[in-house]
Amino acid sequence: DSGVTQTPKHLITATGQRVTLRCSPRSGDLSVYWYQQSLDQGLQFLIHYYNGEERAKGNILERFSAQQFPDLHSELNLSSLELGDSALYFCASSAQPHVEQYFGPGTRLTVT
Amino acid sequence: ELKVEQNPLFLSMQEGKNYTIYCNYSTTSDRLYWYRQDPGKSLESLFVLLSNGAVKQEGRLMASLDTKARLSTLHITAAVHDLSATYFCAVDIQGAQKLVFGQGTRLTINP
Repeated sequence: DSGVTQTPKHLITATGQRVTLRCSPRSGDLSVYWYQQSLDQGLQFLIHYYNGEERAKGNILERFSAQQFPDLHSELNLSSLELGDSALYFCASSAQPHVEQYFGPGTRLTVT
Repeated sequence: ELKVEQNPLFLSMQEGKNYTIYCNYSTTSDRLYWYRQDPGKSLESLFVLLSNGAVKQEGRLMASLDTKARLSTLHITAAVHDLSATYFCAVDIQGAQKLVFGQGTRLTINP
C-alpha cells in the first residue's frame, strides 16, 4: 500500500458524460501527478500540481481539467467523454518535485 | 522531447534462466526508476537509480544505470514464476516535473 488513495476504483459511463476522479496523496506529500494508461498510448503524463499550483502539463486534452485543493487532495475532471477515454487513470504523489513518486491503485474508466 | 525505449517489449522465459531488459533514453537525466505492474494493478516501485554507475539489487533483480550511454538495465537472475509481470522504466528530468515511461516489458516466466 503506497498511501495514495483514489476513488472510485471503477467507473462506467456513457459517451458525452462528465466524471470526476479523486486522489488523496500520501500524508505530507505536496506534489500530485496524474497519468493515463491505455493499451495504445501506454503510460502518459497528464498534469502535475504542487501545493495547489499547476507545475507541468503533458498531453492533456482540453476536455480534461484538474485542480489541487488546500487540503492537497486533487481531482481530475473528464468531460464530453469519448470511447477513447477508456483507460486506467493513476494518481501519484511525492514530497516535492524530482523525487520518487508513489502511485495510487488507479481508477478504471470505461466509456460505453 | 524525451523518448524512453525499452526492449524487448515481450519476453517469455523459463524458470531458472537469466535475462536482461534494456531501457534507453534520449536526453540527459540523473534519475531513473524501475516499476513493476501486475495485470490490472498499480505500479510498484522497484528501484531508484540516482547517479552514473548506480547498481541496486533486490532478490533476483538487479538494476544499473549508465548515464553516459543513457542506458539502464534490469537483470533477472534464475527467474521464478512470481516475477511474471510488466516492468517499466521511467526517466525524470530536473525541471520537467514529470516521469516519462518506457513502453513496458511484459515478462512471462514459464515453469
